[in-house]
Amino acid sequence: RKEVEQDPGPFNVPEGATVAFNCTYSNSASQSFFWYRQDCRKEPKLLMSVYSSGNEDGRFTAQLNRASQYISLLIRDSKLSDSATYLCVVNDLTGANNLFFGTGTRLTVIP
Amino acid sequence: EAQVTQNPRYLITVTGKKLTVTCSQNMNHEYMSWYRQDPGLGLRQIYYSMNVEVTDKGDVPEGYKVSRKEKRNFPLILESPSPNQTSLYFCASSFLGLAGAGANVLTFGAGSRLTVL
Repeated sequence: RKEVEQDPGPFNVPEGATVAFNCTYSNSASQSFFWYRQDCRKEPKLLMSVYSSGNEDGRFTAQLNRASQYISLLIRDSKLSDSATYLCVVNDLTGANNLFFGTGTRLTVIP
Repeated sequence: EAQVTQNPRYLITVTGKKLTVTCSQNMNHEYMSWYRQDPGLGLRQIYYSMNVEVTDKGDVPEGYKVSRKEKRNFPLILESPSPNQTSLYFCASSFLGLAGAGANVLTFGAGSRLTVL
């Protein structure tokens, strides 16, 4: 079983739509959770850290559900510029504090 | 400026010719890691390092070596490159910690596109 799993998509949504991605993780001891954004052939960049209480940054909302071991990302009022791949990242406290990536969810926002 | 620097950014080489991709960070991060990215497979971890002289295999270490003699540098070595190592490579670094205060937030280099003929 993979440490972190994501629906690869693609998600094709019209401008202005609300879209949500989920990511499940296998290690219940994980404590750090992140969403990264990656544009084509560029390096991933941090979009948001995900906190236990949930957090919001403009049109983006991240949630953590420890009981079901998943994190989510909600994007409201999608813009064309939101088109990218969204990666979830989880740390693993089993032995080493390594970081694990999901395979990413591809989002295309259509005019 | 805080950054992770990879070199070369682009390289075309031939099978069997040893090469090194350098990675350097100026943020005094303990953790450094190498990934390769191939279409449809996402980011796959090659090797990582928790600190100087501490390295561990990731998911796809075969055909690669690393070293961590200094905190800032984490070179990736391909002793005898093969065509299946043609890929986009990323180096990344972060502070280590349980959570919060920037711990475990990765900063990536711009990537190195390697082609092995």
